[in-house]
Amino acid sequence: EAGVAQSPRYKIIEKRQSVAFWCNPISGHATLYWYQQILGQGPKLLIQFQNNGVVDDSQLPKDRFSAERLKGVDSTLKIQPAKLEDSAVYLCASSLDIQGEQYFGPGTRLTVT
Amino acid sequence: AQSVTQPDIHITVSEGASLELRCNYSYGATPYLFWYVQSPGQGLQLLLKYFSGDTLVQGIKGFEAEFKRSQSSFNLRKPSVHWSDAAEYFCAVGNQAGTALIFGKGTTLSVSS
Repeated sequence: EAGVAQSPRYKIIEKRQSVAFWCNPISGHATLYWYQQILGQGPKLLIQFQNNGVVDDSQLPKDRFSAERLKGVDSTLKIQPAKLEDSAVYLCASSLDIQGEQYFGPGTRLTVT
Repeated sequence: AQSVTQPDIHITVSEGASLELRCNYSYGATPYLFWYVQSPGQGLQLLLKYFSGDTLVQGIKGFEAEFKRSQSSFNLRKPSVHWSDAAEYFCAVGNQAGTALIFGKGTTLSVSS
C-alpha cells in the first residue's frame, strides 16, 4: 500500500514570495491533515479536512495561508506572502476516517530567506 | 489548556541499556495517547497507542508504554536500546471525537556505543 505522498520535499524561497505544497493521501482515506513543524517543536495542526470539507482550521493563519482539498482526494497548502517565521517542515497526514490512525508523509521542508 | 509535556529535550543512552522517555499531558476529555518516532528526513511513524483497557501497551520495535491516569503520564520504555533507535520521539494526545493530535516538543534520543 502506497503511503502519503508529498511534494516538493524541499523548497527555498524569499520572504514575500508565494509557495504551494501538494499532498496525496493514502487511497480511500477520508480525513486529511496539514501540520506545521517548526525546528525544535512538535507538529502543530494547521487544517483538518473530512472529505472535501474543513473540520478544523482554527490555527491556520488565514491572512496568508490557504488550503483546499478538491474532490476529497489530493490537497494543496499555499502560503502567500511567506514570512521568515514560516520556515518549517509541513507534514501531511491522512486517516481512514476521523477516528482512525494518522499516517504521515515525509514532509516538505520550507526555508524562507 | 490542553498540552503535552516532554521534560527531556535530549537523552543519551548506551547501546543495550534500558530507556524511558517521559510524557505528561493535560487534557479535558478522555485522552487517546500516542508515541511517534521521527528519523531524520522521515515522516512520523506510530510506535504505539492507548485508547482504553490494559494500561500497559505494546508497540512496534520492542517499545512499550504505561498509562498512569493519576499521574497524567504516558511514559515510553524499551528494555534494551539499539543504535538504530536514535531518533526523535514525540508524545501526542487526541480524543474519541477524532480531533487533531496535540504533540509534545519531542525528545531526541542518542545512542552511544
